[in-house]
Amino acid sequence: KAGVTQTPRYLIKTRGQQVTLSCSPISGHRSVSWYQQTPGQGLQFLFEYFSETQRNKGNFPGRFSGRQFSNSRSEMNVSTLELGDSALYLCASSLDITSGEQYFGPGTRLTVT
Amino acid sequence: KNQVEQSPQSLIILEGKNCTLQCNYTVSPFSNLRWYKQDTGRGPVSLTIMTFSENTKSNGRYTATLDADTKQSSLHITASQLSDSASYICVVSYPSGGSYIPTFGRGTSLIVHP
Repeated sequence: KAGVTQTPRYLIKTRGQQVTLSCSPISGHRSVSWYQQTPGQGLQFLFEYFSETQRNKGNFPGRFSGRQFSNSRSEMNVSTLELGDSALYLCASSLDITSGEQYFGPGTRLTVT
Repeated sequence: KNQVEQSPQSLIILEGKNCTLQCNYTVSPFSNLRWYKQDTGRGPVSLTIMTFSENTKSNGRYTATLDADTKQSSLHITASQLSDSASYICVVSYPSGGSYIPTFGRGTSLIVHP
């Protein structure tokens, strides 16, 4: 069974631009969560989606948004990029929202210049 | 404020030796505690998951313990191998919206030398 895939793997953007990252969960998994990882803050929870609904959201500004499609694939969008948004963005999928077992993708490395 | 503190921040050991990593948390209410291993440039991989009622969980050479009363957990690695060199992250979750919200520790960076 294929693992969690994220595209693109690397991305360079300029301040003020917007970016969309994509995540395809493991087949059959219905819950997708997004995380930001930086050297300064470590891993931080962004949001979680289940059945196309956002179930939880972390403490991030409204510039960070996401959505989930009917096939469970998910996208996250960051608008008006800032230098501090440079990070590794990780997506994780799980069978459902009550399952503690999450499977992470390889991440998208975003660099904002 | 929900926090997860890990110690030590970094650790260097010789191949074949054992080591123990610590995790203290203030997250409340508590749902589950997970330990992840993250290799450089890769996503985290789950090692163990423990709920409130579990004291010990093993996964091969990895054994996690949980003391919910003192809000402490440890990850013990037996007979370390070079491939154990990685960051080990403790994650404590609390219930919200029918799901869980995770709080992450900053991780312990383990280096295993031959």
